[in-house]
Amino acid sequence: KNEVEQSPQNLTAQEGEFITINCSYSVGISALHWLQQHPGGGIVSLFMLSSGKKKHGRLIATINIQEKHSSLHITASHPRDSAVYICAVRADKIIFGKGTRLHILP
Amino acid sequence: ETGVTQTPRHLVMGMTNKKSLKCEQHLGHNAMYWYKQSAKKPLELMFVYSLEERVENNSVPSRFSPECPNSSHLFLHLHTLQPEDSALYLCASSQAAKPNTDTQYFGPGTRLTVL
Repeated sequence: KNEVEQSPQNLTAQEGEFITINCSYSVGISALHWLQQHPGGGIVSLFMLSSGKKKHGRLIATINIQEKHSSLHITASHPRDSAVYICAVRADKIIFGKGTRLHILP
Repeated sequence: ETGVTQTPRHLVMGMTNKKSLKCEQHLGHNAMYWYKQSAKKPLELMFVYSLEERVENNSVPSRFSPECPNSSHLFLHLHTLQPEDSALYLCASSQAAKPNTDTQYFGPGTRLTVL
């Protein structure tokens, strides 16, 4: 079993829909990162969380340390949000999830 | 334009070749990272440098040899690679000297194919 599990693996939605991507982990962590990877490989760091909630534009990330769970939400989704979203946790080493491939249809 | 650049963007090499990947960050950061991303697998952290010293080596085979000559540059020297080493190699940097404690900025990656 992977120490970092993301769900869903793939998600297709219509433009404007509210999107939720989940990340669960099984180890004690000091921080959790959400990354966005566009086709072609470029990666952008979206959030680093150790507790609570962060918001940046249409993106919201939450973390529940007790439940070992984090969610990434996208409001008013747009085709340019289409990408792979990767959850990574910092334990004694950094561990990455396999990513969620999001496709937003116009 | 990202503050982290990588060259080359694409590289095809034979198993007996020696090549180097280059990463440069223009952000004044103190920590730099090499990652490997293979098809259908999670990102793997390979090496971490802080203030030009290697602080993390995640069981990477010796055919990969990193070098950090100064805080702005990071190299990954490659020799006698295997086809399974074909992957996207990503460089990142972060401000804090203590690695993995703040936001990392990624380069565009070098897509490596080993024949």
